Parts: sequence; C-alpha cells; structure tokens
Amino acid sequence: NAGVTQTPKFRVLKTGQSMTLLCAQDMNHEYMYWYRQDPGMGLRLIHYSVGEGTTAKGEVPDGYNVSRLKKQNFLLGLESAAPSQTSVYFCASSFPSVQGIGQPQHFGDGTRLSIL
Amino acid sequence: AQKITQTQPGMFVQEKEAVTLDCTYDTSDPSYGLFWYKQPSSGEMIFLIYQGSYDQQNATEGRYSLNFQKARKSANLVISASQLGDSAMYFCAMRDLMNTGFQKLVFGTGTRLLVSP
Repeated sequence: NAGVTQTPKFRVLKTGQSMTLLCAQDMNHEYMYWYRQDPGMGLRLIHYSVGEGTTAKGEVPDGYNVSRLKKQNFLLGLESAAPSQTSVYFCASSFPSVQGIGQPQHFGDGTRLSIL
Repeated sequence: AQKITQTQPGMFVQEKEAVTLDCTYDTSDPSYGLFWYKQPSSGEMIFLIYQGSYDQQNATEGRYSLNFQKARKSANLVISASQLGDSAMYFCAMRDLMNTGFQKLVFGTGTRLLVSP
C-alpha cells in the first residue's frame, strides 16, 4: 500500500552542493510531477513527465533537472543548490486526464530541503 | 492562465459543526475541473473531492461536499460535522488541461482550519 514514496524526507545542503531527490510510485501512473511548496505560495509545478523517457518544464524549472528512465521513478536533481531552493518538495503521480473527468494526483509525503 | 483564490487564511470551527472553506477561480476554458486537498501537520497531501465543470450535481464524498456555483466561479468546500482530525491546511486546485492532454494543477494559497473541542 505504498503509493508514492519520496526519499529522503529531510536534507540539509551547503550552497553549491548537488543532490537528487527520488520518487517512486507503484500505481502504474503514466504522469508524474515535482512541486515545491513555499509559505504563502501554495504548490508550484517544477517539472513533469507524461511517460517514461519524457520530461517537460513546469512553472518554476530553473535550477532543476529531472529524469524519468523508468515508468515508476521520477528523479529531481539540483546541480548547484542555492538558498532560494530551500523548500518542501512534493512528488505526485496520476493517470492521464480523460475529457470531462478529472484524475486526482496522488502525492508523496514530501522532502524538506534546507540550503545553507 | 488559470487562477485560484482562497481568501481565508484561517478558519475556526467547533467540533460537530459545519464549516465552509471558500475558493474562487478564474478561467476562460469551458472545460475544467476543481480539486480539494487536505494537508495535515504531518505534511502529506490528501485528495478529498473533485468537481468537473460539466457535472450537473455538486460532488459529495462522505462529510465533504462541494458547493459549486459556476456563474460565480466558486467551488467552496463544505465539511459537515467537523472532527478534531479535520484540523489541517486545505488547498483548492484547478485542473489546467493543456492541448497535449497533460493535466497541470494550479493551487490556491490554502486555508488553515482549526477545529476546537
């Protein structure tokens, strides 16, 4: 009954360091997403993927890269971390939307990332 | 672009009472969908309820119902018989369906609900 699993749950980085956030889903969802959540701003889409081997930019993609080598995994990378990237990061997945029928996105528990 | 507005930063309600959380939206698309998510203090995002723009009846899921008023562009969440476990942050979100078929969600800034005994 795992759903969407994110690792790690917490991380502290120094400015300039790199790291990768991992997301895995076991619901056979085609679509996967990375969001960041900042106080007073709701969730904002960083990157998304509509299938294995495909990725696309969301609202706030700068400073991040992603890869989707397997259908069940979606990786978010920070090549050179900056303090402005301190945030809570959420991964989500869903089936494709069918016309007139919304498909809810299922979220992981989030990763708290602090950049010093 | 789609926009979601939640004007209530915080709401208080007593246990067993009903509460309405406001959500207004702005879109020029004839077809759209609205979602509500709950975020407890533990941090996870929990899907609660969905309303499509062509749905004739207001959506209901247990104690949650959606008061959908299309002409006013509002999709308020109604929680009946509030429980202490309902204390959480609540987000309204809109489905932004791009021409590729991709469903992006646009989120409001959220409303923090506190349920008191």
